[in-house]
Amino acid sequence: EDQVTQSPEALRLQEGESSSLNCSYTVSGLRGLFWYRQDPGKGPEFLFTLYSAGEEKEKERLKATLTKKESFLHITAPKPEDSATYLCAVRDLYNQGGKLIFGQGTELSVKP
Amino acid sequence: NAGVMQNPRHLVRRRGQEARLRCSPMKGHSHVYWYRQLPEEGLKFMVYLQKENIIDESGMPKERFSAEFPKEGPSILRIQQVVRGDSAAYFCASSPSLAKGDTQYFGPGTRLTVL
Repeated sequence: EDQVTQSPEALRLQEGESSSLNCSYTVSGLRGLFWYRQDPGKGPEFLFTLYSAGEEKEKERLKATLTKKESFLHITAPKPEDSATYLCAVRDLYNQGGKLIFGQGTELSVKP
Repeated sequence: NAGVMQNPRHLVRRRGQEARLRCSPMKGHSHVYWYRQLPEEGLKFMVYLQKENIIDESGMPKERFSAEFPKEGPSILRIQQVVRGDSAAYFCASSPSLAKGDTQYFGPGTRLTVL
């Protein structure tokens, strides 16, 4: 059964304190791994898609990496506006539809 | 280019009433997905639709829930005879196709409260 586990559940950082969020996954075949950001009361906002081990993508202070078993979202010198819940999701290669399997999310809080 | 639109944003129903949630996909998108986010839980897939067709409803409860995406108009998620356990945020997402690289873009959600 496809499964996604994110850790930690919550992370508190001081502004400028870099860290990483982890997403471990189990899937029959990986078609894609997705990172989203969700602010309270809003819908998930797309950040990155990764397809194969070794792939990396960057956007401002965020960098996503992928191995065969997990993905990391690295946050460099975070700012308070980076505070949000970060969601990881996978799409199974053998699922004919576009169903995404989501993890529980990591709630990030960045204090000034 | 307008994003995915959902309405209403907030919906209050009493037990036993019907709830209708609407979703208009992004322009040019013909694939719609519905997800549910229960309090303190992650997003769970419910159903995937293309115009006039249900492709995958494996995450949909067997009773009281139905979804449609007509040729004209928005996609609708319908919940009959709501119960308190249906209280959740319901999100719609859309994509242009299933080709690799096509991301699902989410709407702002409808927050359903059942009294």
